Amino acid sequence: ETGVTQSPTHLIKTRGQQVTLRCSSQSGHNTVSWYQQALGQGPQFIFQYYREEENGRGNFPPRFSGLQFPNYSSELNVNALELDDSALYLCASSLSSGGFGETQYFGPGTRLLVL
Amino acid sequence: AQTVTQSQPEMSVQEAETVTLSCTYDTSENNYYLFWYKQPPSRQMILVIRQEAYKQQNATENRFSVNFQKAAKSFSLKISDSQLGDTAMYFCAPNYGGSQGNLIFGKGTKLSVKP
Repeated sequence: ETGVTQSPTHLIKTRGQQVTLRCSSQSGHNTVSWYQQALGQGPQFIFQYYREEENGRGNFPPRFSGLQFPNYSSELNVNALELDDSALYLCASSLSSGGFGETQYFGPGTRLLVL
Repeated sequence: AQTVTQSQPEMSVQEAETVTLSCTYDTSENNYYLFWYKQPPSRQMILVIRQEAYKQQNATENRFSVNFQKAAKSFSLKISDSQLGDTAMYFCAPNYGGSQGNLIFGKGTKLSVKP
C-alpha cells in the first residue's frame, strides 16, 4: 500500500505567477483535502474534494482552485501569487462514505516560497 | 469562529517519563471527532490518536492515551514512557463535519524528549 505523495517538494516562484501542486492519494482513498501551513502555525483548511467534486472550502480566495481526477489524484492551483502564499502545502487523503470524521493521511508537503 | 487552543507552545520531558499536552476547543456541535497528529522535524504529519465524541471511553493507542472531557471541551494527550522519537510538534484537531468535514488545527505544542 503506497502512502500519500506530493510533488514537487520545493518550489520558488515570483509574485504574480501561477503554481500547480500535485498530490497522489493513498491507494483506495476517494477524498482529498488541502491545507496551508504557514511557518510556526497549524495547518489551515483550503478545500476538500470527494469523488471529483468540491466538498467544502475554507476561508481562501477564488485564486486557490483545485481538481480531483478519476484516479483520485489531485491538483492545487494558485493564481496571482502573493508573498503571503509562502507556506508548506499539505495534501491529505481519506476513505469517505460521504460523511465526516475519517482519518486523514498526510503527504510530506510542498514548500512554496514566493519572492 | 470555532477555535482550538493549545496553551503550551513548548514542553520538554525526560526519556521514559510521562507528559500531558493540553487542548481545549469551542463548538456547539454534539457529534464530532477529535484527533491528535504529530509532525516530526521531517515534517510529515502522522496520526497519533482519534476519539469519537459520542464515545465516553477514552481512546488509547499503545503509549498514547487521551483524557476527553466533553462538557469541558477538553481533549488532552498523555504520552507514557516517552521516547526520543516522540520529539515533534503535536497538533490537536477537531473535525465537526457539516459541509466541510475538515480538520481545524490548533497552533501546536513543540515537544522535546531529552535523553
